Amino acid sequence: KQEVTQIPAALSVPEGENLVLNCSFTDSAIYNLQWFRQDPGKGLTSLLLIQSSQREQTSGRLNASLDKSSGRSTLYIAASQPGDSATYLCAVRMNYGGATNKLIFGTGTLLAVQP
Amino acid sequence: DAMVIQNPRYQVTQFGKPVTLSCSQTLNHNVMYWYQQKSSQAPKLLFHYYDKDFNNEADTPDNFQSRRPNTSFCFLDIRSPGLGDAAMYLCATRRSTGQAYEQYFGPGTRLTVT
Repeated sequence: KQEVTQIPAALSVPEGENLVLNCSFTDSAIYNLQWFRQDPGKGLTSLLLIQSSQREQTSGRLNASLDKSSGRSTLYIAASQPGDSATYLCAVRMNYGGATNKLIFGTGTLLAVQP
Repeated sequence: DAMVIQNPRYQVTQFGKPVTLSCSQTLNHNVMYWYQQKSSQAPKLLFHYYDKDFNNEADTPDNFQSRRPNTSFCFLDIRSPGLGDAAMYLCATRRSTGQAYEQYFGPGTRLTVT
């Protein structure tokens, strides 16, 4: 059974700092991995999607990497801003179960960027 | 902009009084999901539609039902809400063709049970 873990559970950094959020998964037979952001009381916003054949994806100040063999993904945020404060969730979609396979979510990292 | 829309954003219902939450999408995605999310927890999948085919998660209570009258709309019915059903309910969609399978979420409906 796939288990997805995110470390740390909470992180507080000063504005301007570069930071890394970690996501690990126990079963490497993934189809893709998706990083989401969730603001308090809101829905999930998709940040980056990495296919199993890819090593990384970039969008603006965000860079996500994937090492499928070791079961790890990182989300790198450059030059953090107070507006980056949110909960960050990673989720994997497995490569079995056909097209109906579902996302398996991690536990989330609550990020606070202090001005 | 193409998007996933949920109405209402906030819903208050009484204990035991049926309630319906709605989701619509302009993405023309054929797969639609309903999730329940409680405070500080990851979203929990309740069920999903693959086209018209309904797929219930094994641990979803019978109290929760869903309808999908067409591609664009999907409804979550809670027949007799209990206090434990107070949560954020999230709708999501994705395409099942192509390569990406990127999943998109709506803004959620916050359900309060009094």
